[in-house]
Amino acid sequence: SAVISQKPSRDICQRGTSLTIQCQVDSQVTMMFWYRQQPGQSLTLIATANQGSEATYESGFVIDKFPISRPNLTFSTLTVSNMSPEDSSIYLCSVERQDQQGQETQYFGPGTRLLVL
Amino acid sequence: AQSVTQLGSHVSVSEGALVLLRCNYSSSVPPYLFWYVQYPNQGLQLLLKYTSAATLVKGINGFEAEFKKSETSFHLTKPSAHMSDAAEYFCAVSEENTGFQKLVFGTGTRLLVSP
Repeated sequence: SAVISQKPSRDICQRGTSLTIQCQVDSQVTMMFWYRQQPGQSLTLIATANQGSEATYESGFVIDKFPISRPNLTFSTLTVSNMSPEDSSIYLCSVERQDQQGQETQYFGPGTRLLVL
Repeated sequence: AQSVTQLGSHVSVSEGALVLLRCNYSSSVPPYLFWYVQYPNQGLQLLLKYTSAATLVKGINGFEAEFKKSETSFHLTKPSAHMSDAAEYFCAVSEENTGFQKLVFGTGTRLLVSP
């Protein structure tokens, strides 16, 4: 498995401000992912972050709204910019790592619970 | 594109009863299938996964799931529910895209366990 931590665990923010979420992994990984889980809904992939290259965004998500950094193989940040109440969600990072059977599996962090007022 | 359907947003069982959470997928190629569990105020934890080996997959906490290609299903079961099983359960299917497995999640099923 993987030990993944996220900071902050939760936050309450005012509309129009920005919040940067950090994701730290216990060992080096190539692929890191950021998901959004809106209230009562499932997870939606925001983007994929590779170290040393631009993040790849899914349809409906843009870099200006969700800039991502990936400075090394154990760390990534997601910024939620110019927030509105519609951005209130749980934001989760995940990593892809081989399990004990040598198969690639995604492991998730505990999530950051964001409330925008 | 692949998709996942989870029937029933809520499932209620009594402690000790059988748990059955349904998941159907659509895929034009052999899929990888996953069940994740999310306990209150926590992230997602992998319960089990199917990756084209044995069709009956055993996971953690006594859960298992059976891949049935003819029914395009991957239902999650547990013989006897425990109060600690109360959580949100997500079925997911993966599709290979530019070299990694992109997970597509179902809408989730909340399991309620009563004494």
